[in-house]
Amino acid sequence: AQRVTQPEKLLSVFKGAPVELKCNYSYSGSPELFWYVQYSRQRLQLLLRHISRESIKGFTADLNKGETSFHLKKPFAQEEDSAMYYCALKGSGNTGKLIFGQGTTLQVKP
Amino acid sequence: DAGITQSPRHKVTETGTPVTLRCHQTENHRYMYWYRQDPGHGLRLIHYSYGVKDTDKGEVSDGYSVSRSKTEDFLLTLESATSSQTSVYFCAISGGAGDTQYFGPGTRLTVL
Repeated sequence: AQRVTQPEKLLSVFKGAPVELKCNYSYSGSPELFWYVQYSRQRLQLLLRHISRESIKGFTADLNKGETSFHLKKPFAQEEDSAMYYCALKGSGNTGKLIFGQGTTLQVKP
Repeated sequence: DAGITQSPRHKVTETGTPVTLRCHQTENHRYMYWYRQDPGHGLRLIHYSYGVKDTDKGEVSDGYSVSRSKTEDFLLTLESATSSQTSVYFCAISGGAGDTQYFGPGTRLTVL
């Protein structure tokens, strides 16, 4: 089965603290993984795509095939990082469909 | 933001009534998707389209139908709305199956 699991519904940290948002996946073959961010009541925006290996807004994510994980990290959280974060997996076949995790709300306190 | 709009942005309707949501794009992208967003479930795919008049079901397609008569518009219809279809609906587009998906602003639908 193809599945994405984000075990934390809510992650609350203080400004300046490190952040790690967990994402685990189930997929046969080479996965293609994404992180999307949704600020309060706005549209989803692509944050990271693992094949591009970019760092956006200070966030990075490394694909760990052994642990089937794609955790999102940032060394120093900012208040403007407060948002909902979704991990997504591209489904098999040539449809392009995304399989999303349940989402994690990141709350950065001053 | 990619040129994606959704209409209406908010709608309140009653159980049993038909509802149509519209997704409009100005990017000439081939692929279009409809997702619903619910707490505890993330986003789930309802239907998608890989070209004009080419559509297929997603994981939660029961109670929904779609149509795509031209590249820029993808319509989602709830034939007879139920309270379980109260949700936020997002449209997404991509140039190809391997390309990044870009999302519309969403439609908040309440079925009373």
